[in-house]
Amino acid sequence: AQKITQTQPGMFVQEKEAVTLDCTYDTSDPSYGLFWYKQPSSGEMIFLIYQGSYDQQNATEGRYSLNFQKARKSANLVISASQLGDSAMYFCAMREVPSGGSYIPTFGRGTSLIVHP
Amino acid sequence: DTAVSQTPKYLVTQMGNDKSIKCEQNLGHDTMYWYKQDSKKFLKIMFSYNNKELIINETVPNRFSPKSPDKAHLNLHINSLELGDSAVYFCASRGRGMNTEAFFGQGTRLTVV
Repeated sequence: AQKITQTQPGMFVQEKEAVTLDCTYDTSDPSYGLFWYKQPSSGEMIFLIYQGSYDQQNATEGRYSLNFQKARKSANLVISASQLGDSAMYFCAMREVPSGGSYIPTFGRGTSLIVHP
Repeated sequence: DTAVSQTPKYLVTQMGNDKSIKCEQNLGHDTMYWYKQDSKKFLKIMFSYNNKELIINETVPNRFSPKSPDKAHLNLHINSLELGDSAVYFCASRGRGMNTEAFFGQGTRLTVV
């Protein structure tokens, strides 16, 4: 079963506007972590932001913030003041613990974001 | 100084060949991973290696085998390559702690012809 769901295959935003990328997750573990990564066309995976399940406040990192709604099991990424360089694939990931006991990040299918000038 | 480095960056080979991709991390991390990214950009975990404990995704063919000579290295060996093995392979490492992110190598684009 899909653990991480990103329902937006592609998103478009005008430069300088804000954009929200959706992510919902499924877990029965009370302790978990959620991550967002950016993959530009050059291919590298860049860590953006982390939210822990017990964190009281939504995570923020510069222009990135995470809209964490625990009851709804959603962890949406908000990018404020979009820049042309934000055009990339964005992946939501969850740290989960399989039976072997080792944390393994599981990824959603990604959202392609295109920022228009 | 590159944190997680993979070599080679590009690999073109014929069906049936055996190849290896090397991965090294200088972050002192205990856990390393191999992921496969397909043409639709889906990232699938292949292996997780932590303190000599190997966790294998059961969907990975046994033609794929990880080899870890030491904590800083996790190499990927692939035997009898098939066309469907063409993909980008990422190595990643992660430190201890529940909130630590995984650091990724730059990826190896494998093309089987």
